[in-house]
Amino acid sequence: EAQVTQNPRYLITVTGKKLTVTCSQNMNHEYMSWYRQDPGLGLRQIYYSMNVEVTDKGDVPEGYKVSRKEKRNFPLILESPSPNQTSLYFCASREVGTGANEQFFGPGTRLTVL
Amino acid sequence: GEDVEQSLFLSVREGDSSVINCTYTDSSSTYLYWYKQEPGAGLQLLTYIFSNMDMKQDQRLTVLLNKKDKHLSLRIADTQTGDSAIYFCAESINYGGSQGNLIFGKGTKLSVKP
Repeated sequence: EAQVTQNPRYLITVTGKKLTVTCSQNMNHEYMSWYRQDPGLGLRQIYYSMNVEVTDKGDVPEGYKVSRKEKRNFPLILESPSPNQTSLYFCASREVGTGANEQFFGPGTRLTVL
Repeated sequence: GEDVEQSLFLSVREGDSSVINCTYTDSSSTYLYWYKQEPGAGLQLLTYIFSNMDMKQDQRLTVLLNKKDKHLSLRIADTQTGDSAIYFCAESINYGGSQGNLIFGKGTKLSVKP
């Protein structure tokens, strides 16, 4: 089954404790992206990657890191989480081309930083 | 910068039609999208429209695009309780290094009353 998976689905942590949220897709997509969803703010892009070893900042990259060492994986790293990073996080992937290029979303990771 | 606006809430009675409206700013967007997010889930692509089209119909869904006014709407005929969800409008960026990135609206929460 074609899908985007994220782990963990739920995470409660404390300020300053480094964490990684993994994202993996099995569709051989070049493009992957991380978003955060907050009430009243919709989805905001954190980082995206057009291909292996190519990453770029989105609209709200502060406090986050990513890496793209393999095509299928795009982990989101919070080196020193803070309470304002409490949010619902989504990973997405799509093909790169001239068509509609539907983005496929993972199920989300709900992060709480105390 | 680019912006996508949509109303935050819509309430309809089961069996009525729902119309969710959206305005966008990037006149060069090639595709415009409607995504649906059910409670506790990720986003799923509902439908999309190519920018040179005025209308697209897919079963109960009708998308209308007014390029002059940069206005997009989604009509759901015979709305059912299962249509209760958050609906996101999105436009694709069609220039520069961010080409293909999506800009999402804040989402319209559709509540369907029996």
